[in-house]
Amino acid sequence: GAGVSQSPRYKVTKRGQDVTLRCDPISSHATLYWYQQALGQGPEFLTYFNYEAQPDKSGLPSDRFSAERPEGSISTLTIQRTEQRDSAMYRCASRRGDGELFFGEGSRLTVL
Amino acid sequence: AQSVTQLGSHVSVSEGALVLLRCNYSSSVPPYLFWYVQYPNQGLQLLLKYTTGATLVKGINGFEAEFKKSETSFHLTKPSAHMSDAAEYFCAVSDQDTDKLIFGTGTRLQVFP
Repeated sequence: GAGVSQSPRYKVTKRGQDVTLRCDPISSHATLYWYQQALGQGPEFLTYFNYEAQPDKSGLPSDRFSAERPEGSISTLTIQRTEQRDSAMYRCASRRGDGELFFGEGSRLTVL
Repeated sequence: AQSVTQLGSHVSVSEGALVLLRCNYSSSVPPYLFWYVQYPNQGLQLLLKYTTGATLVKGINGFEAEFKKSETSFHLTKPSAHMSDAAEYFCAVSDQDTDKLIFGTGTRLQVFP
């Protein structure tokens, strides 16, 4: 696609529910990142993919968080048993060959 | 481990005044350095980057930054602020061997008429 697309843009859920966020990167980009951005903070690295491989998931806060990119294109970030502290903007980015990251508009998650 | 410190979470300037947003980094290897801008309800957009070569880097919208290894700094400047520059600015660092981009906490720039 022309840019990085994320869905949903806004998600409100109750504590304890599972949520899945989706990222559709720029089609020619092999590398895809997930970041978490709390209000008033900078984006915090969660994990990234090179095609379908996931070399680094050190930023995932707990085992409730998981990400997939099964066919090396669209990626999903799943949060199980959500907690209020999971409320944040979740940003996806894909990387061009020269290293520039292109960000989507983000998915804002609110856990009540 | 790499890290980035942005001094000043809020900066206010008058239209036409100099903009200076500060960024200091920590890296054990030669870093790649970036400035991103975030407008309300939009994704982050690259302003400029330093990888190798010339230490003064020019970016979009009249912004520039200078890599100073001796000061471990990469401050962002613009000679004359415009109202449309009001946004949040993030400094980021990565190294040549990893694919991970580490962001600072951001500086919100306000521009007054």
